[in-house]
Amino acid sequence: KNQVEQSPQSLIILEGKNCTLQCNYTVSPFSNLRWYKQDTGRGPVSLTIMTFSENTKSNGRYTATLDADTKQSSLHITASQLSDSASYICVVSARNDYKLSFGAGTTVTVRA
Amino acid sequence: SQTIHQWPATLVQPVGSPLSLECTVEGTSNPNLYWYRQAAGRGLQLLFYSVGIGQISSEVPQNLSASRPQDRQFILSSKKLLLSDSGFYLCAWSVRPGTQYFGPGTRLTVL
Repeated sequence: KNQVEQSPQSLIILEGKNCTLQCNYTVSPFSNLRWYKQDTGRGPVSLTIMTFSENTKSNGRYTATLDADTKQSSLHITASQLSDSASYICVVSARNDYKLSFGAGTTVTVRA
Repeated sequence: SQTIHQWPATLVQPVGSPLSLECTVEGTSNPNLYWYRQAAGRGLQLLFYSVGIGQISSEVPQNLSASRPQDRQFILSSKKLLLSDSGFYLCAWSVRPGTQYFGPGTRLTVL
């Protein structure tokens, strides 16, 4: 069964600090992995997408890594801002499958 | 460019009342369409998906139904709402595997 697990479930950081979110998956055959940011009461918005051959992908202060061998990904937020407070969802797709496997998300709260 | 709309944005309904949530996509043709529910603190649960007009696949047995009367219109319905139907409902579209784009969502509260 395709599964995606994220950790931690939630975290609180001070503005300006860095943090790293983790994602482990068992989706096979692997196609791509996306990190989404979901603000409260809004739909998820894609931050990064990585395929099997990509190890790192950046989008501003967000940097995602992928280790396809260990089936792990991380999302690093640098110099956090209050606007980074949101839920971050790891989503993995299998090859030729229109359905996606979602993690439960990590809720990040940035405090001044 | 493609856009996806959902309405209403929020809805408060009494138990036993009917439900109709609408989703429309612009700027693309023959998309796959999806309905998800997101309970508080939980991941997204796929409810229905559609690969074409009138073609609906249900992922979990429930009190809800879906219809696709037009290529870019996807409707989520219920004849009688339950308390457990409360949640955040998201519509999404895709034209190729592995990539989905989400709508703004509808917050449904059943009292």
